[in-house]
Amino acid sequence: ETGVTQTPRHLVMGMTNKKSLKCEQHLGHNAMYWYKQSAKKPLELMFVYNFKEQTENNSVPSRFSPECPNSSHLFLHLHTLQPEDSALYLCASSQDPGRSTDTQYFGPGTRLTVL
Amino acid sequence: GENVEQHPSTLSVQEGDSAVIKCTYSDSASNYFPWYKQELGKGPQLIIDIRSNVGEKKDQRIAVTLNKTAKHFSLHITETQPEDSAVYFCAASRGGSQGNLIFGKGTKLSVKP
Repeated sequence: ETGVTQTPRHLVMGMTNKKSLKCEQHLGHNAMYWYKQSAKKPLELMFVYNFKEQTENNSVPSRFSPECPNSSHLFLHLHTLQPEDSALYLCASSQDPGRSTDTQYFGPGTRLTVL
Repeated sequence: GENVEQHPSTLSVQEGDSAVIKCTYSDSASNYFPWYKQELGKGPQLIIDIRSNVGEKKDQRIAVTLNKTAKHFSLHITETQPEDSAVYFCAASRGGSQGNLIFGKGTKLSVKP
């Protein structure tokens, strides 16, 4: 199994709730990512952190707020979500995103349902 | 920006047959092409990748070919087994893009015993 873990695995929340997703990587990597996976759509990159600094924010709505306290941990804080935000949220890590041979390793994902 | 097209969206084969999944990309500067396998309830797992300086790479029953001129790459699985059933994703990126892998929409492969 991978060295990237995510909790919780499943989450159901109302539109007015506040919740957080957690990701931890045990691979000694320097970069971490959040992706959104919706049915019949390509994986969508949301955020990239390299050495704890955010280097990419793909026009993600402000109701999604990432936090990266160190290179091993990544959070995604959620508030006032919409039903269309229901999806599988995947975390990934890699050694060096600036290198052409860099490989990303994914966690199992959090299945989020917004009621 | 980069755009990756993947075909077919679903593929059903008999156990022991071969399966081929094809992807095309638009950005000629892309130089890294990984393939991921995603089983039910799991995240995508890297199964093989290829860099732009090679045309083919093989790992047991899995092979990937790359045609840079035509900007397409393919995944070949030989002697398929039921445990090969999963969704397969191709992706493309260019070096220095800060991890911006562009994924195809996926191919659901079913291997019938």
